[in-house]
Amino acid sequence: DTEVTQTPKHLVMGMTNKKSLKCEQHMGHRAMYWYKQKAKKPPELMFVYSYEKLSINESVPSRFSPECPNSSLLNLHLHALQPEDSALYLCASSQDRLAPGELFFGEGSRLTVL
Amino acid sequence: AQKITQTQPGMFVQEKEAVTLDCTYDTSDQSYGLFWYKQPSSGEMIFLIYQGSYDEQNATEGRYSLNFQKARKSANLVISASQLGDSAMYFCAMREGFRNAGNNRKLIWGLGTSLAVNP
Repeated sequence: DTEVTQTPKHLVMGMTNKKSLKCEQHMGHRAMYWYKQKAKKPPELMFVYSYEKLSINESVPSRFSPECPNSSLLNLHLHALQPEDSALYLCASSQDRLAPGELFFGEGSRLTVL
Repeated sequence: AQKITQTQPGMFVQEKEAVTLDCTYDTSDQSYGLFWYKQPSSGEMIFLIYQGSYDEQNATEGRYSLNFQKARKSANLVISASQLGDSAMYFCAMREGFRNAGNNRKLIWGLGTSLAVNP
């Protein structure tokens, strides 16, 4: 079983909806990540949180709004999305943003925007 | 520019045989890390193996081994005794070095190789 839990696993939303993706880890990791992945493509980094502070924003449109309420939780708030935002959204964590260790990924949330 | 190249979009292997997935990288850093991840159709990205640029021994994890040839800048993944459950996308990734990216080091991903294991 993965140690990074993402909910929901599937989400369908209209372009005017507001929804959120949630991610939780209990490994004591201090860095958490959001990635977007299109089919048959590598993941694209969106945001990195380190010690609950946003450290990297890869020029992501403001219709995606990340939030890190505490060291175990990471949310991605979605508003006024476009159909091209349909993708697999992967959450990951690592011990430290600068450590050479591996990223632990969740199973992802498959988002469809109608 | 830092880059990861996976030249095999798709590979087939017979069950119980070994298979090598190619990965070459480009970086001017002396210190960097190389990773292989597996992604089944379910979506989860599963860490397989890691090789540090200063590691003298090739990394091994069970049936996975990394053939690290630093001078050639290659980090090929070898899967021995393939199983049906090995059918998945495989991504090679490199963690940027401090010289190039400072405190904002990220993972640079290859385009992936889709592996199909035939019974």
